[in-house]
Amino acid sequence: QKEVEQNSGPLSVPEGAIASLNCTYSDRGSQSFFWYRQYSGKSPELIMFIYSNGDKEDGRFTAQLNKASQYVSLLIRDSQPSDSATYLCAAGGQTGANNLFFGTGTRLTVIP
Amino acid sequence: DTGVSQNPRHKITKRGQNVTFRCDPISEHNRLYWYRQTLGQGPEFLTYFQNEAQLEKSRLLSDRFSAERPKGSFSTLEIQRTEQGDSAMYLCASSWDRGRQNIQYFGAGTRLSVL
Repeated sequence: QKEVEQNSGPLSVPEGAIASLNCTYSDRGSQSFFWYRQYSGKSPELIMFIYSNGDKEDGRFTAQLNKASQYVSLLIRDSQPSDSATYLCAAGGQTGANNLFFGTGTRLTVIP
Repeated sequence: DTGVSQNPRHKITKRGQNVTFRCDPISEHNRLYWYRQTLGQGPEFLTYFQNEAQLEKSRLLSDRFSAERPKGSFSTLEIQRTEQGDSAMYLCASSWDRGRQNIQYFGAGTRLSVL
């Protein structure tokens, strides 16, 4: 069973702070990792993807991957109220594989 | 906007009825996926197409579920003899085959309520 685990939260941070979201995965064969943002009642929206160990930055977002620890994280700097949403971590299977395995999501609330 | 399009957005049906959903992927994408999401959970994979070929099906996809992508473009997902447990958001995603960068873009989903 391929599992992706996330703390369901809720995680509350004040506006302007750094929000840190974490995810672990069980399948060592997973090659790629994705963070999706999902507003209530809406579909998942891709925020970041990463497949190499280390950090990847895009604007206010930084994804971190540690394959040895099977750990993925997402940092959101200068958090805004509009960042309030559920953040889904997903792991892609082995190279060339297809479906994504999602965690249950972490609900983030940014307090103005 | 040429994103992934799903219809209908909402479907209410009585238990035992059949329902069909449609997904139109991003035009240049050759891969199409169906997921199901229930409240408080992440999306769960149902099935996947590469062009018109259905290459993978989850154990979640019981005999009452069937999916097609006849011309490698749009896809349909049919649920026969619906049950209350089928109530969920059905999400379609599409991607272009780029190895590890298999980035999937999701449609707005079809919310199914079985009464």
